[in-house]
Amino acid sequence: EAGVAQSPRYKIIEKRQSVAFWCNPISGHATLYWYQQILGQGPKLLIQFQNNGVVDDSQLPKDRFSAERLKGVDSTLKIQPAKLEDSAVYLCASSLAVPSGIPDTQYFGPGTRLTVL
Amino acid sequence: GIQVEQSPPDLILQEGANSTLRCNFSDSVNNLQWFHQNPWGQLINLFYIPSGTKQNGRLSATTVATERYSLLYISSSQTTDSGVYFCAVSDSARQLTFGSGTQLTVLP
Repeated sequence: EAGVAQSPRYKIIEKRQSVAFWCNPISGHATLYWYQQILGQGPKLLIQFQNNGVVDDSQLPKDRFSAERLKGVDSTLKIQPAKLEDSAVYLCASSLAVPSGIPDTQYFGPGTRLTVL
Repeated sequence: GIQVEQSPPDLILQEGANSTLRCNFSDSVNNLQWFHQNPWGQLINLFYIPSGTKQNGRLSATTVATERYSLLYISSSQTTDSGVYFCAVSDSARQLTFGSGTQLTVLP
């Protein structure tokens, strides 16, 4: 079974530029997550999708970040314009979305390391 | 939201030694997971353990939900155990809050 795929693996941009990250979840996984992991910290949830609908985007800086999952499969996270503090690893994860009360393991992709100069 | 604290922040061991990592959380949870992030950044789920005890090879975990803490035990550590260990909790469906992790280095 293929894992969660992400691209690119690395990206270096200058501040005020735009950047986009792509994620393809495990086949059949209805739930997709985007996390931001700043160096030395744990991942922080940015946005969660259930199929193509947003479940939680309360921690997404909506003035500069946007995400979509148009067909309920792969997803794109965009930053426009980027700031220095956006330098981080952006992790995508997916899960089956089983009924409530049953363990729903999240499987993580390898991440995209973003450096904003 | 829920606060998650992990200790120690850093741990250096000689190969073969045992260790205990701790996770404290500030409120009742219905989901607690332990993850290992290897030196290449890949996050791997180790345990789903909102309560009770589980074992998987040299790793085991115990969560005492009433006292709001969880422990991860690593026995006979190997160099491949190096990396960052994260505890993540949730008080609702799916949304996990991660701690800041324990950086483990196992020396040969």
